[in-house]
Amino acid sequence: AQTVTQSQPEMSVQEAETVTLSCTYDTSENNYYLFWYKQPPSRQMILVIRQEAYKQQNATENRFSVNFQKAAKSFSLKISDSQLGDTAMYFCAFMNLQGAQKLVFGQGTRLTINP
Amino acid sequence: KAGVTQTPRYLIKTRGQQVTLSCSPISGHRSVSWYQQTPGQGLQFLFEYFSETQRNKGNFPGRFSGRQFSNSRSEMNVSTLELGDSALYLCASSLALNQETQYFGPGTRLLVL
Repeated sequence: AQTVTQSQPEMSVQEAETVTLSCTYDTSENNYYLFWYKQPPSRQMILVIRQEAYKQQNATENRFSVNFQKAAKSFSLKISDSQLGDTAMYFCAFMNLQGAQKLVFGQGTRLTINP
Repeated sequence: KAGVTQTPRYLIKTRGQQVTLSCSPISGHRSVSWYQQTPGQGLQFLFEYFSETQRNKGNFPGRFSGRQFSNSRSEMNVSTLELGDSALYLCASSLALNQETQYFGPGTRLLVL
């Protein structure tokens, strides 16, 4: 079974700073996707970024980028020039491409951006 | 395109009752998955539906069931509600099975008294 671990329950940074959220996962599979989702106080789960395991290049989406280390099974999210609207719970998630199309989530990191 | 919609948004029930939650996927999406989110257990997979068939089920008791209709809309039902069923129930849709990103609805918050 796959597991996802987010070791930082809470983080807090000042607006405009850069912050990195950590995620490690455990799997014996070779073909999978990794995701970061954001859940603001409204509770709507929003996709931030996706990384395909077969791709060596790290995914980027505007101010959001990942550092994907497949051998180390590490998948961190970097948020540059953080904004107040980035305040949310961030969940790292794993999806195996074989079998059930289910997301396995970490416990989440509560990120607060301070003005 | 409209996003995933879930109804109702909030629900209060008492122990022993049953409840039905509804999810309408993004237009053109054929796969629907359900997740339960609680402070203690986090986000856990409930079921996955594609083409009106349950493809996979998570580790939940038989009181939790669901179905998918020909228009891809899905419902989940919880019978004989227990206090521990209080949670946010999230529905997610994707275009097809596997290799697809899941997009979430706003959730239904269920409180069991």
